Amino acid sequence: NAGVMQNPRHLVRRRGQEARLRCSPMKGHSHVYWYRQLPEEGLKFMVYLQKENIIDESGMPKERFSAEFPKEGPSILRIQQVVRGDSAAYFCASSPYTGDGYTFGSGTRLTVV
Amino acid sequence: QKEVEQDPGPLSVPEGAIVSLNCTYSNSAFQYFMWYRQYSRKGPELLMYTYSSGNKEDGRFTAQVDKSSKYISLFIRDSQPSDSATYLCAMSAGNQFYFGTGTSLTVIP
Repeated sequence: NAGVMQNPRHLVRRRGQEARLRCSPMKGHSHVYWYRQLPEEGLKFMVYLQKENIIDESGMPKERFSAEFPKEGPSILRIQQVVRGDSAAYFCASSPYTGDGYTFGSGTRLTVV
Repeated sequence: QKEVEQDPGPLSVPEGAIVSLNCTYSNSAFQYFMWYRQYSRKGPELLMYTYSSGNKEDGRFTAQVDKSSKYISLFIRDSQPSDSATYLCAMSAGNQFYFGTGTSLTVIP
């Protein structure tokens, strides 16, 4: 069981570029969650997806951010026109059921220069 | 007021000590309570999960939930240097989890 796989582990983007973060959930998990962690802050919820559906995106910024979880392939968190304030660790988690304890991936550390 | 409050520490204890970590919360709708451990540059790892008031024990770890006081605790017995990490409390009423900011723990050999 490979666990939750996130890639890349580190991503450097210049201001204005696009960042694409990928997450493959644990085998058998159909619920995917994205969280952002800033220094000195806790993990902040961004979005909750099931296959092909966005269930709750109340934590996503209204502009530049989008997420998907297609029928085939990993979940993608996409940040367009990145700014320095987007620099953070982005964690993906998955679970077999709603409300169950999450299993987290190792995160993608995005640095915007 | 934050949904979840957690003392960031840092907390430093000698090996073998009993460690007590705590969180308070404001939302009485929270039903699920979790503790995660996060090592530096790694993802959080689920330690304990409970959905009721009372105690839950797993090896050296005991999670305690007091819904009437909106207060949860994690106790670590016989602490080891390998327990040195940041401990995050988390709670949920539905889809999303609300995390504390984490308490940094160092266990000194």
